Amino acid sequence: NAGVTQTPKFQVLKTGQSMTLQCAQDMNHNSMYWYRQDPGMGLRLIYYSASEGTTDKGEVPNGYNVSRLNKREFSLRLESAAPSQTSVYFCASSDPGRSSEKLFFGSGTQLSVL
Amino acid sequence: GENVEQHPSTLSVQEGDSAVIKCTYSDSASNYFPWYKQELGKRPQLIIDIRSNVGEKKDQRIAVTLNKTAKHFSLHITETQPEDSAVYFCAAILISGGYQKVTFGIGTKLQVIP
Repeated sequence: NAGVTQTPKFQVLKTGQSMTLQCAQDMNHNSMYWYRQDPGMGLRLIYYSASEGTTDKGEVPNGYNVSRLNKREFSLRLESAAPSQTSVYFCASSDPGRSSEKLFFGSGTQLSVL
Repeated sequence: GENVEQHPSTLSVQEGDSAVIKCTYSDSASNYFPWYKQELGKRPQLIIDIRSNVGEKKDQRIAVTLNKTAKHFSLHITETQPEDSAVYFCAAILISGGYQKVTFGIGTKLQVIP
């Protein structure tokens, strides 16, 4: 039982490049989330998926797209990276109203956009 | 939407002293209040949580109190140890059926001085 697994751990991009951050959970959770963490700003929600087949914008969705590929996997895509997207990204999952409302986080992706 | 304010942003205490971190929230519908600890370079991990129908919860050296009327909740760490040094995040969560809306505070950096 690995919990929430996200890849890669580190990534450096040039402005305008694209990339996809991958996230998978093995806890059979319905809900999955993508957060970014910046100094002094806490954890801000980018997108979330309340259940398989649904996705919704969070607090800071501009410049990102997501795909809930199946119940286990939720990916985050940067189509044209910008320096403002330099951040640490965390995927998380939970199962509110069912097995667990607690958020379980992945180990994070440190992204630098030059 | 929900707004969570967390104070202080930094806190230094001597080993063995107590530490208190406070959060206020704006949405009276929020019904679940977890606290996360994030060590440097690591993922946030849940350390204690409280539901809106409970006023206080304790787990060894950590405790959380909730005042629903005033819409604030606090984390108390007693007999602090150097390994308590980390960033602590509060969150106010609205859980309704299978839906979960999470708002984090900006975090408190706690330093325990040996």
